[in-house]
Amino acid sequence: GAGVSQSPSNKVTEKGKDVELRCDPISGHTALYWYRQSLGQGLEFLIYFQGNSAPDKSGLPSDRFSAERTGGSVSTLTIQRTQQEDSAVYLCASSNPGPGRTGGAGRELFFGEGSRLTVL
Amino acid sequence: AQTVTQSQPEMSVQEAETVTLSCTYDTSESDYYLFWYKQPPSRQMILVIRQEAYKQQNATENRFSVNFQKAAKSFSLKISDSQLGDAAMYFCAPKWGTYKYIFGTGTRLKVLA
Repeated sequence: GAGVSQSPSNKVTEKGKDVELRCDPISGHTALYWYRQSLGQGLEFLIYFQGNSAPDKSGLPSDRFSAERTGGSVSTLTIQRTQQEDSAVYLCASSNPGPGRTGGAGRELFFGEGSRLTVL
Repeated sequence: AQTVTQSQPEMSVQEAETVTLSCTYDTSESDYYLFWYKQPPSRQMILVIRQEAYKQQNATENRFSVNFQKAAKSFSLKISDSQLGDAAMYFCAPKWGTYKYIFGTGTRLKVLA
């Protein structure tokens, strides 16, 4: 697609329910990231995918959080048994780290508009 | 530990004036990249400017420029001729290694008409 697409845009759920957040990255982008942004805070790294594998999932806050990516494209972030402290905006970003400096490590992230999760 | 600090939670600037947003970081690496991102109320983060640490020349993109002081580990963003559309949260984001971006806590910029 033309940009990174995230759904739903907003999600209100009750404490204890499971939620799934979806990210559709820019076509051809092999790197995909999930970040969490709490009110008035910076971006907290959650997980990084290269292709379908996740070499760094160190930012997932607990085992209630999981993510997968299929076909090197769409990713789903799942939060089980949601808690009120999970309320935040969840941002997805993708990148295409090709060869060279500006085409590789210097490539920027392209972000979606985020999914705002509210846990009542 | 690799850290990023944006010490100004909020800044204000008059339309058409110049403002500088500060960012400092700590790393033991010598080769890395530095980014400034803008997040308007629509929530979508967009790239403002990028700097490669091995380049001494400061990056410039139209009204946006950086003052990169590698020895001091400082990477400030200067916005000239500020416009109402510049109002947003600005995040400093160094990138170390092949994939790890670390974001600061952000500076909210208000532009006064």
